[in-house]
Amino acid sequence: GQNIDQPTEMTATEGAIVQINCTYQTSGFNGLFWYQQHAGEAPTFLSYNVLDGLEEKGRFSSFLSRSKGYSYLLLKELQMKDSASYLCAVPPGTASKLTFGTGTRLQVTL
Amino acid sequence: DTAVSQTPKYLVTQMGNDKSIKCEQNLGHDTMYWYKQDSKKFLKIMFSYNNKELIINETVPNRFSPKSPDKAHLNLHINSLELGDSAVYFCASSQDPGEDQPQHFGDGTRLSIL
Repeated sequence: GQNIDQPTEMTATEGAIVQINCTYQTSGFNGLFWYQQHAGEAPTFLSYNVLDGLEEKGRFSSFLSRSKGYSYLLLKELQMKDSASYLCAVPPGTASKLTFGTGTRLQVTL
Repeated sequence: DTAVSQTPKYLVTQMGNDKSIKCEQNLGHDTMYWYKQDSKKFLKIMFSYNNKELIINETVPNRFSPKSPDKAHLNLHINSLELGDSAVYFCASSQDPGEDQPQHFGDGTRLSIL
């Protein structure tokens, strides 16, 4: 089975950098996704990591360590619009059955 | 252009009723999904279809019956609605069922059972 852990809530200041961690335990590993979900809206895809290391995409970067079962999402130059939930998700070994973590609700303040 | 659209956006109904939610995607994807997001914001897979064929059926009560008339549509019919069915239901699609495929979500249907 799958087990995914993320902090429930985080607060950070506009312009700052924040790191949202995710630890997972899976029976088979096929990569890890990060999604963003604004309140009352649909989740939107942010990143997919399958190899160890850091992948950068503008202000957002995602890191993966397969040996540690650990990932983080790094958000730089925070903006108020970054206030949202960030969901870590892993697919199991066979057909696509994405398992989501409970999400981290990020509040960006002035 | 809306990529994944689901209707209705809001659904308020009495316990015991039967209701349907419709979903359509214009992305040309082969795979579609239904998710349930409860009050604690936990997003859980319910069903997945690939080219109109059911490939995932999580332990969902058989009051929930998905139907895929073609690969661009996946509807969800719910019989004998119960209070615990109150949630946001999201439809999603991906190019194929591969593990590396990002999913595109609809805006959700907020179902409230009175």
